[in-house]
Amino acid sequence: ETGVTQSPTHLIKTRGQQVTLRCSSQSGHNTVSWYQQALGQGPQFIFQYYREEENGRGNFPPRFSGLQFPNYSSELNVNALELDDSALYLCASSLAGGPGYEQYFGPGTRLTVT
Amino acid sequence: QKEVEQDPGPLSVPEGAIVSLNCTYSNSAFQYFMWYRQYSRKGPELLMYTYSSGNKEDGRFTAQVDKSSKYISLFIRDSQPSDSATYLCAMSYTNAGKSTFGDGTTLTVKP
Repeated sequence: ETGVTQSPTHLIKTRGQQVTLRCSSQSGHNTVSWYQQALGQGPQFIFQYYREEENGRGNFPPRFSGLQFPNYSSELNVNALELDDSALYLCASSLAGGPGYEQYFGPGTRLTVT
Repeated sequence: QKEVEQDPGPLSVPEGAIVSLNCTYSNSAFQYFMWYRQYSRKGPELLMYTYSSGNKEDGRFTAQVDKSSKYISLFIRDSQPSDSATYLCAMSYTNAGKSTFGDGTTLTVKP
């Protein structure tokens, strides 16, 4: 069974730039959620994708957008980067209709905005 | 005020101690209650979960949920240095993929 993978591991961008983060879900999982974890805080839900459609969104502006592909992998795009976007971005996969408590996280992408 | 508040810590205990980690919440619609463990520079890993109220035990770990008080706890018995990590509580009313997390408690278990 393949776990959740994310790329890249680290990224440094300049304020105003755009960034794309990638996630491959665990084998057999069809739902992907993205979270932002600022230093010293818990993960904050950004959005979830199921069947290539957004299936719920947290309190994040529209410059945070995503995609899910037919193989269930996913991308998180952030436009017009701000300094406060510096954080660990976590992807988690789960199975729709599976146990409601179950999701598996990837190792995250650490984004630094200067 | 945040929907989920977690005792901030940090906590430092000697090996073998009993550890109590706690969270309170305000949204009575939460049904799934999870505890995650996160090591430095890693993603969170699911440690324990409870659906609705009650207790659940798994080895040295016990999770408790009191929905009437909107309070959840994780107890670790016979704590080990390998338990040193940040512990995150999380809650959801639909599925875990839309969880609301506490800010974590960092635990250090000293040999």
